[in-house]
Amino acid sequence: QVQLQESGPGLVKPSDTLSLTCTVSGGSISSYYLSWIRQPPGKGLEWIGGFYYSGSTKYNPSLKSRVTISVDTSKNQFSLKLSSVTAADTAVYYCARGEVRMDVWGKGTTVTVSS
Amino acid sequence: DIQMTQSPSSLSASVGDRVTITCRASQSISSYLNWYQQKPGKAPKLLIYAASSLQSGVPSRFSGSGSGTDFTLTIGSLQPEDFATYYCQQSYSTPFTFGPGTKVDIK
Repeated sequence: QVQLQESGPGLVKPSDTLSLTCTVSGGSISSYYLSWIRQPPGKGLEWIGGFYYSGSTKYNPSLKSRVTISVDTSKNQFSLKLSSVTAADTAVYYCARGEVRMDVWGKGTTVTVSS
Repeated sequence: DIQMTQSPSSLSASVGDRVTITCRASQSISSYLNWYQQKPGKAPKLLIYAASSLQSGVPSRFSGSGSGTDFTLTIGSLQPEDFATYYCQQSYSTPFTFGPGTKVDIK
């Protein structure tokens, strides 16, 4: 049974780069479409971007200039980097499996942008 | 981007009630429509995919219908564990987008 687990710093300073990792267990990362999604406090869900290991990476145009998604197959992990963060990037960040349907989600990790 | 809207934004209902939530897409998305349930402090959980297919393990009181631009999630008989926020999401094209959510609480 595939499981996803997000990890990374809970506090990031304004203008810095947010870096998160999603570790995939119970399956090979090269077999899935994987996404990053975020949810600001008290608000709805926003898709950040996703990729197939064997295909292209796609980003939300609203964040594209600041986002990089990459994969480390040796560790079965994929990562998110979001540059030049502001308070508006404060959110719970989730990784999820699936393109047509997101059927497995990590528990989420809270990132606060503050000095 | 495809915009998703939901109605109502919130509703109050009693255990045993039949509940219907509507989702509308700004353009046709065929049946590329999913429904998620989210409880406070938890990740979203997939309930319905491809507009009307029940995800494995999800109770049969949940059902979905629709195609094109208009979709519906129905909870046949509301149970205490169903009080949550429900989101629709289109997977027709990137960026994948979610509706603003419908909060279902206890009357």
